[in-house]
Amino acid sequence: SQQGEEDPQALSIQEGENATMNCSYKTSINNLQWYRQNSGRGLVHLILIRSNEREKHSGRLRVTLDTSKKSSSLLITASRAADTASYFCATAAGQNFVFGPGTRLSVLP
Amino acid sequence: NAGVTQTPKFRVLKTGQSMTLLCAQDMNHEYMYWYRQDPGMGLRLIHYSVGEGTTAKGEVPDGYNVSRLKKQNFLLGLESAAPSQTSVYFCASSYVRGTDTQYFGPGTRLTVL
Repeated sequence: SQQGEEDPQALSIQEGENATMNCSYKTSINNLQWYRQNSGRGLVHLILIRSNEREKHSGRLRVTLDTSKKSSSLLITASRAADTASYFCATAAGQNFVFGPGTRLSVLP
Repeated sequence: NAGVTQTPKFRVLKTGQSMTLLCAQDMNHEYMYWYRQDPGMGLRLIHYSVGEGTTAKGEVPDGYNVSRLKKQNFLLGLESAAPSQTSVYFCASSYVRGTDTQYFGPGTRLTVL
C-alpha cells in the first residue's frame, strides 16, 4: 500500500450528515495535511496537523492524528452539497509530500 | 494575486511530439513541484525545485525534464511524448520548506495519442 492511504475510497451521505474519512500511513511523519479537490480543479489545502498535535479544528472540519496507530481522520460536520469533492491526505516525511489515492465524497441534497 | 497558474489547460499530442508546460506563481515561493494525477491514484511527484536554478527528481521523473530559470516559473518538458504520459499535470508551490502547505494550479489535461 501507499504511504498515505485514505479509507473509504468512496462515501455517499445526505446533506446535514457528518462525513468521516480516514488516512493510514506507514513511516514516521513531520506533519499530515488534508486537501480537497473539486472535479476538474486543483487541490486546495484544508488543514495541517503536526506530529506533536492530536486534534485540530477549522470551521466544520475536525482532524485527529494518532501517531501510535499511524492514522488520521477527517470529520466534516453538517455536510453540504458543496462539500462534494475528493479528499486527499498528504504525509510529509523528509522534503516532500506523499499523497494517498483519495476519498470521493458525494453529499446528496 | 493570481496564485499558481498553468498553461495550457488542455493539450493533445501525437506519440513522439514534444511540448512544454508552464507554471507560474506570484507568491514569491521558493519551492515548486510538478505532479501527475492518474485515475484512482493520488498525485505522484515528477520533479521539484528548491529554488531558482535548482531542480531535483521526484518519484516518477523518467520521460520528463524541468527548468527553473526564474523564481516564479517552473517548466515541465516532454521531449518525446508517449501514451503512458496521458494524465492530468498539476503544478504546486510552497513558501519555504517542502512540507509546508502547497498551493496548486488548476491543472493541465494532456492526452497523447
